[in-house]
Amino acid sequence: AQTVTQSQPEMSVQEAETVTLSCTYDTSESDYYLFWYKQPPSRQMILVIRQEAYKQQNATENRFSVNFQKAAKSFSLKISDSQLGDAAMYFCAYRSPLGGSQGNLIFGKGTKLSVKP
Amino acid sequence: DTGVSQDPRHKITKRGQNVTFRCDPISEHNRLYWYRQTLGQGPEFLTYFQNEAQLEKSRLLSDRFSAERPKGSFSTLEIQRTEQGDSAMYLCASSFAVGNGVGNIQYFGAGTRLSVL
Repeated sequence: AQTVTQSQPEMSVQEAETVTLSCTYDTSESDYYLFWYKQPPSRQMILVIRQEAYKQQNATENRFSVNFQKAAKSFSLKISDSQLGDAAMYFCAYRSPLGGSQGNLIFGKGTKLSVKP
Repeated sequence: DTGVSQDPRHKITKRGQNVTFRCDPISEHNRLYWYRQTLGQGPEFLTYFQNEAQLEKSRLLSDRFSAERPKGSFSTLEIQRTEQGDSAMYLCASSFAVGNGVGNIQYFGAGTRLSVL
């Protein structure tokens, strides 16, 4: 079974600085998808960024980028120029390809990010 | 399209009572997922529907839990004879799944927070 581990329960960053959130996963599959979701307090979870395992190029979405190391099974999220609105729980998630799978997400326990003004 | 909506947002009930939650997915999304999130944990998969068919149930879904998605539109999750251990956030997500593609992005609702006294 696949597992996702986020080893940093809490992180803090100064506004305008850069922070990296860690995620490792375990799988025997060669093709899969990885995601970072953001969950603000009392609000719905939203997708931040996604990565297809077959792509070597790291995904980037504006201030958010990932460092995907397939051999190490590592998928970290870098937030540049941190803003107060980035404060939230961040969840790393894994999904198998849909064929032969229900396609549900497997989540880590999350990292709570605080942004200091 | 207003996204995935869940009702109610909060539910307080006494142990032993039955509760029902509703999820309205993004229109034309063919997949609908239910997850449960307890304090300090990431969401855990409960069950999912492809159109109106319930195709998978996790072992977390005891016999007291039942889910339906009549006509492949909205879905309900019912918990019978609630227990204090059922207290959690119940999240619904929907997606449009085609083949194995990355297009199966899951969009989440804000959740229903259940407190069993």
